[in-house]
Amino acid sequence: GAVVSQHPSWVICKSGTSVKIECRSLDFQATTMFWYRQFPKQSLMLMATSNEGSKATYEQGVEKDKFLINHASLTLSTLTVTSAHPEDSSFYICSANPGDTQYFGPGTRLTVL
Amino acid sequence: SQELEQSPQSLIVQEGKNLTINCTSSKTLYGLYWYKQKYGEGLIFLMMLQKGGEEKSHEKITAKLDEKKQQSSLHITASQPSHAGIYLCGADNQGGSEKLVFGKGTKLTVNP
Repeated sequence: GAVVSQHPSWVICKSGTSVKIECRSLDFQATTMFWYRQFPKQSLMLMATSNEGSKATYEQGVEKDKFLINHASLTLSTLTVTSAHPEDSSFYICSANPGDTQYFGPGTRLTVL
Repeated sequence: SQELEQSPQSLIVQEGKNLTINCTSSKTLYGLYWYKQKYGEGLIFLMMLQKGGEEKSHEKITAKLDEKKQQSSLHITASQPSHAGIYLCGADNQGGSEKLVFGKGTKLTVNP
């Protein structure tokens, strides 16, 4: 199946700092990628749709200035959590569709101290 | 908005036993996805169903989408410890939007 990678796999940061998470499609091009968040023992919640060459679209309740998304190329989308706080600690997963179905990355666990 | 309810929330079975996980939608399903996740890891794609009455199988896992397209079941035959994990159903509720709504998952434990 198609491969989607994420980097880093985990990150620990201090409150107030910004953290960048990368999502790459390794063997296909993706004009659209999706960012999800998963809290412990909860399901995945869609945060935003990353669009190559244009602005991301955010789901209701997700602060666009808090979660900056940049889709700079057909194989890379980045999510930057700005001024992170402990409540932003979560598991962030991206997905992309090469044409048949949605494939998910391995996720990034963010812990904000 | 569409909601997906999975049952049971958790399941513990003895190795070799069969089991079924259900996913019920509050709205018509245009596409229903089954994924498997191990805690703290990404999602592994299992199957996608689109047509009412459709049934797909992969190794010992079979998934069905009912005729009315509002419920899906995932059946595992002769379960093995390697089947353990969290099974998530996801739905495309807009017909080709690629945005998925997920259920809360079913945690499966298979005891050897």
